This record gives sequence, structure tokens and C-alpha cells, in this order.
Amino acid sequence: EVQLVESGGGLVQPGGPLRLSCAASGIIFKNYAMSWVRQAPGKGLEWVADISGNGDYTYYADSVEGRFTISRDNSINTMYLQMSSLRAEDTALYYCAKHKGSGVGNDYFDNWGQGAPVTVSS
Amino acid sequence: EIVLTQSPGTLSLSPGERATLSCRASQTVRINYLAWYQQKPGQAPRLVLYGASNRATGIPDRFSGSGSGTDFSLTISRLETEDFAVYYCQQYGSAPLTFGGGTKVEIK
Repeated sequence: EVQLVESGGGLVQPGGPLRLSCAASGIIFKNYAMSWVRQAPGKGLEWVADISGNGDYTYYADSVEGRFTISRDNSINTMYLQMSSLRAEDTALYYCAKHKGSGVGNDYFDNWGQGAPVTVSS
Repeated sequence: EIVLTQSPGTLSLSPGERATLSCRASQTVRINYLAWYQQKPGQAPRLVLYGASNRATGIPDRFSGSGSGTDFSLTISRLETEDFAVYYCQQYGSAPLTFGGGTKVEIK
């Protein structure tokens, strides 16, 4: 059974940093691209960033480009989202999502974590 | 960026009725790379359909999808209690990946 467990969420001041983690189990992690998808309170889903299975390729939404960094450590089956210069509009539940395949860009999400809440407020 | 517009925003139906949800894209979705997700309150999204019409693992056959180009639909033939939820479409044919705003299927 595929399990994705996010951690690292919390309350952070505007302009501050925060790092999210996503621990995967039940899969050969390196074989799959992964994404972060967020959902602001009461709103819809927004794709944030993705990373290829081997970590060589990463892509970002315009809204986070230059502020967020996605990475992964396949030796411990974990993906990360390093967030900096956080803004109030980054407040959301951040989901870790597994792609069907190993490539980024052209794929859908066949497994999701339960989400890590991030609140940006002073 | 491909903008996906879902309609209606809310669909009020009774169990046993048929639900038809629409997802319209601002540009052609390449190779019908369109997925649908179901999200219940307090839960993560769950994949329902991919490739516009292929059911994901464990999804009952009362769920079906159709469409091509810019117009897609998700149909639930006979609503069960557990089907009342919010449904999102997502295109994965062009970067960036984008989602529609969602359709809430609520009990009438």
C-alpha cells in the first residue's frame, strides 16, 4: 500500500522560511516523479512544483518560482519543499502527490498524502 | 497556461440520480490528458479518472468520462451516498499542470 506522509507544517511569519517533508513508503520511490499541490482554505487545488524520479528535473508554478525549492533524497524515500519569503497568500494545506510515472510535466497524481498545513501570519 | 472552467459550481441531486459534470479548457488538452479527482471534506483528493475516460483502480463503473479537445465531462450514472463530494478536473498535457475550480455534488 502506498503511503505518503507530510510533515513540517506550521505557523510562520511573513518573509520567513519553512521546510516541508514527504515520506513515502510502499513504492520504489526513485521510479516516480512527485509533486507538491496546495489548497488554500475553502479554495481549489493549485499545483506548486514537481520533481522527476531521479531528481534531475524540477518545475515550479510562477507563483512560487524563485521562492520555493523542491528536492528529494531517494536514499530515504523523502521529498522536500523548502519555502522562503513566505507570504500570506501561501497559506494553504500542502499535499504531497505521487505521479503515475517518473517524468515531470505530463502526468496525473495517483496517490496523495493527507497534507501539511502552512499558515503565514504575524 | 490552460485554464479549466468547471460547471456547474454546485449540483444538487438525490441518491440514485444521474450527475453530469463539465470541464471546459481554454485551449486543446493534448492527447486527452485530463484527469478527475474526488475530494470529500477533510480528506485528500482521490483519483477517479485519467486519460479523460479511464477509471482509476477501485473506482466503480458508475463513474465514466468522455470528451476531447476542450470539452470534457464526468458522469456518475446513479449517485450513491458516498459520491457526494467536490470533483476537480486537471489537465496534464501542457505545462503548467492546472486544475479546474471544482464542482460540488451535494445531496438535494
